[in-house]
Amino acid sequence: QVQLRQWGAGLLKPLETLSLTCGVSDGSFSAYYWNWIRQPPGRGLEWIGEIRHSGSTIFSPSLRGRVTLSLDKAKKQFSLNLTSVTAADTGLYFCARAVYDGSGSLDSWGQGTLVTVSS
Amino acid sequence: DIQVTQFPSTLSASVGDTVTITCRASQGIINGWLAWYQQKAGRAPKLLIYQASTLENGVPPRFSGSGSGTEFTLSITSLQPDDVATYYCQQFTSYPWTFGQGTKVEI
Repeated sequence: QVQLRQWGAGLLKPLETLSLTCGVSDGSFSAYYWNWIRQPPGRGLEWIGEIRHSGSTIFSPSLRGRVTLSLDKAKKQFSLNLTSVTAADTGLYFCARAVYDGSGSLDSWGQGTLVTVSS
Repeated sequence: DIQVTQFPSTLSASVGDTVTITCRASQGIINGWLAWYQQKAGRAPKLLIYQASTLENGVPPRFSGSGSGTEFTLSITSLQPDDVATYYCQQFTSYPWTFGQGTKVEI
């Protein structure tokens, strides 16, 4: 059973860079696509972007230009960087595994990281 | 972008009731590429259903999904106290992936 464990700084000042990493254990890394999703306080889920094993990426248009995704195949980790954060970027951030085998789903999720942006 | 409208936003029911949540997409969802998730307070979402109607392993059969095209439903029969949560749908027809606004189920 795959497990995703994520980590990164939880308190940022405006204009700093948010950096989170997600580690994948007990499962194939190359057969899946790796996603980030966030959730502002008291609100719904927002998809941030996806990175494939090839390294190709696709992002939400609302965040394109500020977001970078990367992966480390040897360590079975993938990372999110979001630059120039503001209070609007405050929320719970999740990593998740995407499966596209006849359909689509995010079948495994990290535990979530609360990120607060405040001066 | 495909907009996904989910309703109701809040639902209050009694133990043993059957409840239904609806997701309506702004464009047709190809081949039923729509998933449903359950999120309990402060926790990560959990996959319940994929491809509109396929139950994820380990999910109780009181959960079921149906629909096609632009309208999809999640039903919970014999509602249990453990089902208190917020439920989201998500489309996988075209990027960017989009979620419904969520339905909070209360008992």
